[in-house]
Amino acid sequence: DTGVSQNPRHKITKRGQNVTFRCDPISEHNRLYWYRQTLGQGPEFLTYFQNEAQLEKSRLLSDRFSAERPKGSFSTLEIQRTEQGDSAMYLCASSLSHPGRSYNSPLHFGNGTRLTVT
Amino acid sequence: GQNIDQPTEMTATEGAIVQINCTYQTSGFNGLFWYQQHAGEAPTFLSYNVLDGLEEKGRFSSFLSRSKGYSYLLLKELQMKDSASYLCAVRDGDYKLSFGAGTTVTVRA
Repeated sequence: DTGVSQNPRHKITKRGQNVTFRCDPISEHNRLYWYRQTLGQGPEFLTYFQNEAQLEKSRLLSDRFSAERPKGSFSTLEIQRTEQGDSAMYLCASSLSHPGRSYNSPLHFGNGTRLTVT
Repeated sequence: GQNIDQPTEMTATEGAIVQINCTYQTSGFNGLFWYQQHAGEAPTFLSYNVLDGLEEKGRFSSFLSRSKGYSYLLLKELQMKDSASYLCAVRDGDYKLSFGAGTTVTVRA
C-alpha cells in the first residue's frame, strides 16, 4: 500500500503563472477529492470525482481552477494566473465506495502540495 | 452551509486525559469523523461515529450525540507524540467531508 501520492511537495511560483499538481490515489479507490488548507484552518472542499466523472465543484473553485481525472486514475489540479491568495496547502484524498456502504469509508489523504505565490 | 466548532487549542500533561469537543450544525448527517494531523503532514483517520454512543479504539475514544449535534474525542494516557491538530469532520451527504478548523493539542512533560 503506497498510500495517496502528491507531486510536487512544494511549489513556489510568481503571481500570474500557471501551476499544475498531480495526485495518485490508492489504486483501488474510485473516489478522489481535492481540498485546500491554510494555516490554522481545516481542509476546505474544492472538488470531487467518482471514477473519471467530476461530480461536484465548490464555489471556492473559481474559473482559474480546473481539475481532471482522465481514465479514473490519477488526477491533476491546474491553477491559471495564480494570485497570492492561492497560497495554501492543496490536499488530495481518495476513498473506496461500496454500493450501499459508502457512508463509513474514510478519506485517505496525501501529504499535499504546498503552493507559495510570490 | 456547514458550521462545525471545536476549541482552538488545548494543553495537557503527559499521561493525562484530554477531551476535545466538537459541535456541528449541518444540512444533513451521515457520520462524524476525527482526524489527527501533525504539522506539515497529511490528516490521518482516527475514528468514525454514525450512531449515538461511544466508539473505543485503544487510547482513543469518540462519542456522538446526534440529537445534540455533539461529539468528543477522548485521548487517554497522553504521549508526547500525541501533540498534533485534531480535526472534526462531518459527512452531510454521500461522499465529501466538511471539516472544523481543528484543535491543536500540546502535550507537556
